[in-house]
Amino acid sequence: DAKTTQPTSMDCAEGRAANLPCNHSTISGNEYVYWYRQIHSQGPQYIIHGLKNNETNEMASLIITEDRKSSTLILPHATLRDTAVYYCIVRGQTSGSRLTFGEGTQLTVNP
Amino acid sequence: DAGITQSPRHKVTETGTPVTLRCHQTENHRYMYWYRQDPGHGLRLIHYSYGVKDTDKGEVSDGYSVSRSKTEDFLLTLESATSSQTSVYFCAISDRASGATYEQYFGPGTRLTVT
Repeated sequence: DAKTTQPTSMDCAEGRAANLPCNHSTISGNEYVYWYRQIHSQGPQYIIHGLKNNETNEMASLIITEDRKSSTLILPHATLRDTAVYYCIVRGQTSGSRLTFGEGTQLTVNP
Repeated sequence: DAGITQSPRHKVTETGTPVTLRCHQTENHRYMYWYRQDPGHGLRLIHYSYGVKDTDKGEVSDGYSVSRSKTEDFLLTLESATSSQTSVYFCAISDRASGATYEQYFGPGTRLTVT
């Protein structure tokens, strides 16, 4: 699975959009981009995933660049409860059971 | 939330003692996983199961064993606990191991301290 690079930490004002970047320059054609988050002391939570098209669900939007070497997770109206570590994971369809978590980005939403 | 429980939620034990952590699911998912989480390392896969009595090693399996005698239960055993196994342990489940839609659902975690 391709390696990902994320900023260590980010801040966002409550009610504003939070844009979390992820670089995955070695991604291959059959690998998906997944985002999970982990609120303090809880288990990780799935947010969204995509291949090459932009995706949106009730939690977030995922924007993947045309060359697929980077992506951005967007929380459109961040709340204090969105404060968490956000993990960007690249995984192939045939990667078996492995989800490789890096260090992620600590997002702090400030009032 | 997915029906996953872990027990115990907190445990303190002494070096050299055996410890068993339990993960229980009510989702009838085929795949179950054990991770550990330590500062500076993120989550690392210990063992996983792809069916009853079918298990395999993850990236940090040394010192751990697992068993799955029923779909709903996945046990993680530390045969002789060491201080390096002090960690937070998470169980996860999924209903598939491949394909585009692949989500793992995580339990609340067990905080283990080995003194």
